[in-house]
Amino acid sequence: DTAVSQTPKYLVTQMGNDKSIKCEQNLGHDTMYWYKQDSKKFLKIMFSYNNKELIINETVPNRFSPKSPDKAHLNLHINSLELGDSAVYFCASSLSPGPVAGTQYFGPGTRLTVL
Amino acid sequence: DAKTTQPNSMESNEEEPVHLPCNHSTISGTDYIHWYRQLPSQGPEYVIHGLTSNVNNRMASLAIAEDRKSSTLILHRATLRDAAVYYCILKDSNYQLIWGAGTKLIIKP
Repeated sequence: DTAVSQTPKYLVTQMGNDKSIKCEQNLGHDTMYWYKQDSKKFLKIMFSYNNKELIINETVPNRFSPKSPDKAHLNLHINSLELGDSAVYFCASSLSPGPVAGTQYFGPGTRLTVL
Repeated sequence: DAKTTQPNSMESNEEEPVHLPCNHSTISGTDYIHWYRQLPSQGPEYVIHGLTSNVNNRMASLAIAEDRKSSTLILHRATLRDAAVYYCILKDSNYQLIWGAGTKLIIKP
């Protein structure tokens, strides 16, 4: 059984388009995250939701909008895609956002390529 | 910025132990030390975490220095499937993982 799943795995699109990435976890966790991993392989937190409420919103352009319809899902919608948005996006979840129980479980990633 | 320092890469022979070092000289008294790894083309996966005492699990052991300014992840018998980037991580004040560049572990058959 897949613990954290993301769709699609690959996404190739043109500049200016709007696209969404979906994430689902079946671990019963309260907290979900979106990360971006750029070409230099650094992972940067974008957003974090706890019980469907936004708790972390790093400096991310307004074109990125997360949506959490329920605790098991956290989707990422991106408007007006730009070349610099090309990256691998990872979804993750944890039991809680705390220092110990916050062990995170990651999805397989979505490779976004903007042409 | 990452609060940890790791070597960029390390090599080891298959079926030998591997010791991956990490420096975290600015660690606070309540910071847990977390290790994750990322296999090629996969999402990161949790390896181990600890606070003060050494920790063991089925994947690895974590040895924490007495002053907590450094730690070492120990893979007791590395296999080719352990080739990955290993990240030593502290959390920030919002309990978010702050990722550095990690150590790329190369396993030679």
